[in-house]
Amino acid sequence: SQQGEEDPQALSIQEGENATMNCSYKTSINNLQWYRQNSGRGLVHLILIRSNEREKHSGRLRVTLDTSKKSSSLLITASRAADTASYFCATDAETGANNLFFGTGTRLTVIP
Amino acid sequence: DAGITQSPRYKITETGRQVTLMCHQTWSHSYMFWYRQDLGHGLRLIYYSAAADITDKGEVPDGYVVSRSKTENFPLTLESATRSQTSVYFCASHERQGGETQYFGPGTRLLVL
Repeated sequence: SQQGEEDPQALSIQEGENATMNCSYKTSINNLQWYRQNSGRGLVHLILIRSNEREKHSGRLRVTLDTSKKSSSLLITASRAADTASYFCATDAETGANNLFFGTGTRLTVIP
Repeated sequence: DAGITQSPRYKITETGRQVTLMCHQTWSHSYMFWYRQDLGHGLRLIYYSAAADITDKGEVPDGYVVSRSKTENFPLTLESATRSQTSVYFCASHERQGGETQYFGPGTRLLVL
């Protein structure tokens, strides 16, 4: 399976602190994406990083990708209570197939 | 409203019954997907479709049937529901080939008694 694995499984921080989540995957990829899921809702795309990129920013989000280690990290800076959600990484296949392979997610709780 | 919708949002059924979950998207995206989400497993792909009348199996297709007669609709049928199919089902779509961003529906919570 190409499924990614997020670490930690759960993370609890105070509002204003930074949150870092990690993702490891198994095979070569074209790109890696991070999604967010609020409780009882569908997944929402946050950011995509391509295999030839090492770092990408979007607002308070910073994503890094290390293809040699097959790992990625998502950093949320200056967290807010509204950031409380589950975060998933998703990888595609280098063959260009359309399937995404999702990890099991990190549950982030931001305490006001 | 534009977007991707699923119906019903909640469903309770009994073992052995046939259940159809509906998915509708208004973007005319070519690709559509069905996932199930279970604790400890993340999202797992059940079936996907590259275009109308083209479907293919994902990671966990057993016990499910799909069809895609129109680009905008992608129903998922459980032919004879089992308790192990109790899950949250998500439909998703994206525009083109290449594992790009997927857009998800709100999900259907299915309980099989």
